[in-house]
Amino acid sequence: QVQLQESGPGLVKPSETLSLTCTVSGGSISTYYWSWIRQPPGKGLEWIGYIYYTGSTNYNPSLKSRVTISVGTSRDELSLKLTSVTAADTAVYYCARALYLSGYWSLDYWGQGTLVTVSS
Amino acid sequence: AIQMTQSPSSLSASVGDRVTITCRASQVIRNDLGWYQQKPGKAPKLLIYAASNLQSGVPSRFSGSGSGTDFTLTISSLQPEDFATYYCLQDYNYPWTFGQGTKVEIK
Repeated sequence: QVQLQESGPGLVKPSETLSLTCTVSGGSISTYYWSWIRQPPGKGLEWIGYIYYTGSTNYNPSLKSRVTISVGTSRDELSLKLTSVTAADTAVYYCARALYLSGYWSLDYWGQGTLVTVSS
Repeated sequence: AIQMTQSPSSLSASVGDRVTITCRASQVIRNDLGWYQQKPGKAPKLLIYAASNLQSGVPSRFSGSGSGTDFTLTISSLQPEDFATYYCLQDYNYPWTFGQGTKVEIK
């Protein structure tokens, strides 16, 4: 059973960089895509982007200038970095496995999410 | 970006009711659409992928249909554990975009 766990600081100051890690257990990062999604408190879901295990990425244009998704050195970790954060970046951040099978996508495994608050 | 519009935004229903939620895309997305269920304080859970394919382990009372721009999620007989918010997600092109959500509440 694949499990994902997000971790990182729960509080980030405005203009600083948000950094989160997603640890994957029960399976390998290899041969899959891995996505980040966020949800501001009380609001809907926003797709941030994804990374293939080889390192190729695809980002939401609304965040592209500020976001970096990478595979960790341990090979069972993914990371998300979002620079120059503002209060609008306050959200629960989720990592999820993006399965591409028979020409179709699905986000089939999700982490529990981690709340990041941007405040001084 | 493709806009996904769900309706209704919320609904009240009773256990045993048949519930239908719709999602409309601002352009044709073939059948590249998924449905996700989210309970308070929890991560979303995949119900349906490719518009009509039931994810493994999801009860058969959930079904999806549609193609092109109009899609439907149906719960044939609402159960107590189905009270949640439901989101559609188009993965036809980038950026992937979610509908605004439909909250299913107890009548």
